[in-house]
Amino acid sequence: DAGVIQSPRHEVTEMGQEVTLRCKPISGHDYLFWYRQTMMRGLELLIYFNNNVPIDDSGMPEDRFSAKMPNASFSTLKIQPSEPRDSAVYFCASSPTHDNEQFFGPGTRLTVL
Amino acid sequence: QQQVKQSPQSLIVQKGGIPIINCAYENTAFDYFPWYQQFPGKGPALLIAIRPDVSEKKEGRFTISFNKSAKQFSLHIMDSQPGDSATYFCAASFAGGTSYGKLTFGQGTILTVHP
Repeated sequence: DAGVIQSPRHEVTEMGQEVTLRCKPISGHDYLFWYRQTMMRGLELLIYFNNNVPIDDSGMPEDRFSAKMPNASFSTLKIQPSEPRDSAVYFCASSPTHDNEQFFGPGTRLTVL
Repeated sequence: QQQVKQSPQSLIVQKGGIPIINCAYENTAFDYFPWYQQFPGKGPALLIAIRPDVSEKKEGRFTISFNKSAKQFSLHIMDSQPGDSATYFCAASFAGGTSYGKLTFGQGTILTVHP
């Protein structure tokens, strides 16, 4: 298995632009998580899905952030409009039902100028 | 009540030393306590995990000690190696229920093992 796949690996954009981050979870995993990692705030859970349905989005910082999971093999995290304070590494993780272990992707390093 | 507090922020040891990283939690409903290891440029990966029905778990050179009454748990790395240099995160979650799978992470500890 290729593991969790994220794209792009690096994204540099200007303030005000729309950013879309993509994730392909491990096949057969029912849970998908989006995290943000910064030096100041550590690893923060933004939102997670179970069977493509959002379960908890309480970590989404504001309305500029949105996430979708149209099918079991694909999810997106969108920031519109982006701001410099959104600069961070964004991780996607997946896990199977009945197993707490989360498998993380390699992350997308986002820089908003 | 969802916080997990981790210390120290950074730790430097010599090869062969036994670094210890500590975590404390508040929510007594947590029932799954994993440790994740993260190398630079990579995502975190599960290292070892424990449930509150045991006080200790060993996997190779890594040991979790768990103190339910104190609401604390710690990671010990025996015979540490330079390859163990990484950031370590403790976490806590619920093994079931509506919040199943939602991990709350500590702030992380940057471990450096000198040769």
